[in-house]
Amino acid sequence: KQEVTQIPAALSVPEGENLVLNCSFTDSAIYNLQWFRQDPGKGLTSLLLIQSSQREQTSGRLNASLDKSSGRSTLYIAASQPGDSATYLCAVSLYSGAGSYQLTFGKGTKLSVIP
Amino acid sequence: GAGVSQSPSNKVTEKGKDVELRCDPISGHTALYWYRQSLGQGLEFLIYFQGNSAPDKSGLPSDRFSAERTGGSVSTLTIQRTQQEDSAVYLCASRKSGGALRGDTQYFGPGTRLTVL
Repeated sequence: KQEVTQIPAALSVPEGENLVLNCSFTDSAIYNLQWFRQDPGKGLTSLLLIQSSQREQTSGRLNASLDKSSGRSTLYIAASQPGDSATYLCAVSLYSGAGSYQLTFGKGTKLSVIP
Repeated sequence: GAGVSQSPSNKVTEKGKDVELRCDPISGHTALYWYRQSLGQGLEFLIYFQGNSAPDKSGLPSDRFSAERTGGSVSTLTIQRTQQEDSAVYLCASRKSGGALRGDTQYFGPGTRLTVL
C-alpha cells in the first residue's frame, strides 16, 4: 500500500526566506506527483504536477523536484510571502485498475510566513 | 459556475441519521472523485466515477457509504446511520479525463464539513 509522508508537519518562517518542503512515498511505481495548496475552509488548488518521467516543474516562485527511484519530492518556495501561508499537500497518482487512477495524499505541511 | 461546487458547505446531524452530500463537477469533466479529510489526517480516497464505467468503490469505509452519479454529471454521496467517526470534511474533485492522460489534474470543490453529534 502506498504511503506518503510529509516533513515537517508545520513550518514557520520570516517573510523573504526561501524554504523547502519534503515529501516521500513508499511505492515508486507512480504515474505523477502533485503538490497542492489548501487554505482554511477551501478546497485544494493544484500548484505543480510532475509526470513520472520528469525531474522537476517550475511555476513562478515555486519549483518541485521528483526523484522517483528514491521516492522523494521537494517543493521549493523562493522569497516567501505572507500570502504563501497555507497547508501544502503532496499526492502521488497510482493506477488502481480498470482505468482508475487514485491519488494518495500526505498529511501536509502547514506553512506560516511571518511578516 | 466555472469550478466544482459542493452543497451544503456545512452539515450538522445527529448520530444515526442519514445524510446526502452533493457535488457539481466542472462541465465536461468525465471523472469525479470523493475524498474524506478527517481532523489531523490526510485526504482519504472514497470513490471514483469515470464516464459510464462501473465506479471504483474500493475506498468506501463501510456499507453505510454509497454514491451515485446521475447523467454523468452531478454526484451524491450518501452516509446512512451516521456515526461520530464520520465527522470530517468531504471533498469532491473532477478531472477532464480519467484514463491514461496523466497530465490532467483534479480540480477540487470547497468541501462539505460534516459534524455528527
